[in-house]
This record gives sequence, structure tokens and C-alpha cells, in this order.
Amino acid sequence: GQNIDQPTEMTATEGAIVQINCTYQTSGFNGLFWYQQHAGEAPTFLSYNVLDGLEEKGRFSSFLSRSKGYSYLLLKELQMKDSASYLCAVEDSNYQLIWGAGTKLIIKP
Amino acid sequence: NAGVTQTPKFRVLKTGQSMTLLCAQDMNHEYMYWYRQDPGMGLRLIHYSVGEGTTAKGEVPDGYNVSRLKKQNFLLGLESAAPSQTSVYFCASSSGAEPYNEQFFGPGTRLTVL
Repeated sequence: GQNIDQPTEMTATEGAIVQINCTYQTSGFNGLFWYQQHAGEAPTFLSYNVLDGLEEKGRFSSFLSRSKGYSYLLLKELQMKDSASYLCAVEDSNYQLIWGAGTKLIIKP
Repeated sequence: NAGVTQTPKFRVLKTGQSMTLLCAQDMNHEYMYWYRQDPGMGLRLIHYSVGEGTTAKGEVPDGYNVSRLKKQNFLLGLESAAPSQTSVYFCASSSGAEPYNEQFFGPGTRLTVL
């Protein structure tokens, strides 16, 4: 079966750094996405990885290791507005997205 | 540009009632999707469309039907609602273009079936 695992909830302090992990087992791999979803709102795109390595985009970075079936999202200089759920999704061999349940990130002052 | 819009935003149904959720996009995207999101679970694909006049089943299609008569619209129908269909429904669209197929989401419809 297909499976995406990520922690249910994490807590971090404003100004700090947090790493959200995602492991996956899917039938085929055409790329991995991270989306951000604020409570009661729609998911919005953050990043995409298809090759191994780190992709940096401002305060956010995403890493992929295809051999390990592993990715992480790194958020630096945390701000209160970063309080949200972070969704990991893998595009499988049918070009459909398989989604993790999301990690709820709580930022404390 | 409005992006992806959904109608209605909230709805309460009684078991056995029917309804249609409307999704519209103004980005000229070929691909459109209907997902449901339940607590503790990832987004699950109900149906999708790769172009006007085409539809296909996703992971959880039972109890739902869809139509894509116009490129910009994707309708999701519940013929006989059941309490298990209480959920938040998201529509999304994408261009399918390289280098990656980013999906753009509507604001969601919160459906309660009593």
C-alpha cells in the first residue's frame, strides 16, 4: 500500500528553527510537495523536490532523499504566522498526489 | 483573478438528500480535482478531470458523481447523502505543465450530513 508518515503535532518557539519530517512508501515517485494550511483555509504550495538534495526558498527549505524515502521541511526564524499545518504529498506513478495527514505546528512566543 | 472558487461555503443536509458542489477556476487549467479532508487523515482524492468532458475516479469515489461540461467548471454531486460524507471538500486545479504540477486550491466547502 501507499503510505505517507509525518508527526501529528510539533511545538516551537518564535525565532527558532524547526524541522518537520516526512517518510513515504508509494507506488512510483514523480516528486514530493510541501503545502501549508492555516486553520480553516485552503492548502497553499510551499515547495517541490524531485532530485535528492536541498531546495531553499527564503526562510523555508526542503530536503529529499529518494533512496531513504525521506523528506524534511526546515523553517527558520519562526514567526507567529507560521502556526499552521504542513502537508507532505508524493506524486505517484499515476501522477496523483498521495497526502500525509499533516503536521500541526504550534509557535509559542 | 479569483483563482479557484467554491459554492457553497457551508451546507447542512439530512441523510438521503442530494446536493451539488460547484467549483470554478479562471486560470485556464486543464486538470481539476475534488478532495475530501477529514480529521487525522490526509486529503483523499474523490474524482478528477484531465480536460473538458473527461472525468476519472480517485481513491474514494463511491457515493459521488462529477461532471466537467465546461473547462472552467467541475461539479461534485452527492445523490443520497450519508453521515459518512460529513467532511470538508476542496476543489483544486492545475495546468499539468512542467517542471511540476502545482495544485491550486479553493477555499473549501464544509458539509454536515445529519
